[in-house]
Amino acid sequence: GDSVTQMEGPVTLSEEAFLTINCTYTATGYPSLFWYVQYPGEGLQLLLKATKADDKGSNKGFEATYRKETTSFHLEKGSVQVSDSAVYFCALSRNTDKLIFGTGTRLQVFP
Amino acid sequence: GAGVSQSPSNKVTEKGKDVELRCDPISGHTALYWYRQSLGQGLEFLIYFQGNSAPDKSGLPSDRFSAERTGGSVSTLTIQRTQQEDSAVYLCASSSWSGGETQYFGPGTRLLVL
Repeated sequence: GDSVTQMEGPVTLSEEAFLTINCTYTATGYPSLFWYVQYPGEGLQLLLKATKADDKGSNKGFEATYRKETTSFHLEKGSVQVSDSAVYFCALSRNTDKLIFGTGTRLQVFP
Repeated sequence: GAGVSQSPSNKVTEKGKDVELRCDPISGHTALYWYRQSLGQGLEFLIYFQGNSAPDKSGLPSDRFSAERTGGSVSTLTIQRTQQEDSAVYLCASSSWSGGETQYFGPGTRLLVL
């Protein structure tokens, strides 16, 4: 069945460091790919998405590119801030089908 | 309302009792989803509604769990004879059929079974 694998956390960075959180998926066909973020004490929020191969999703300085050849959707940000500290979830879905989530990666950014 | 709302925000119950969790989706959203977030299992899908029908119930963990949706809007998730392993945050999400696949999440109901 479909699945999502993302890197174990926590990821600990200093402010202004470069961030990469790896995400790979297993699925037949062409699912849509998502990154959701959960800030401390808050609900899940959509961060960005891509619906077809080679699409790049971007928001708040974060980017991820849908790579069909490597079945990956890695999240990147050039310069993280303390306010980016949160748990990040990679996910996939088909049309209006359920979201299948990775296990989540906790990011901690220190001043 | 502007977003997905859920009630109650917190629920403490005794083992063996029944609980009802409520979800109000974004107005006009025809698709509604229930998920569960727990420490040991991460984020798990429970059930999906399109309108009032549930084409995918594959994530419901046992027959103690049921859900309904009325009027294509509000949904209720019911857990009968609660067990300690039911303790989790129950999340509801909705999406617009015509808007594609983005699901918008509510704040969740934190359930603690003593």
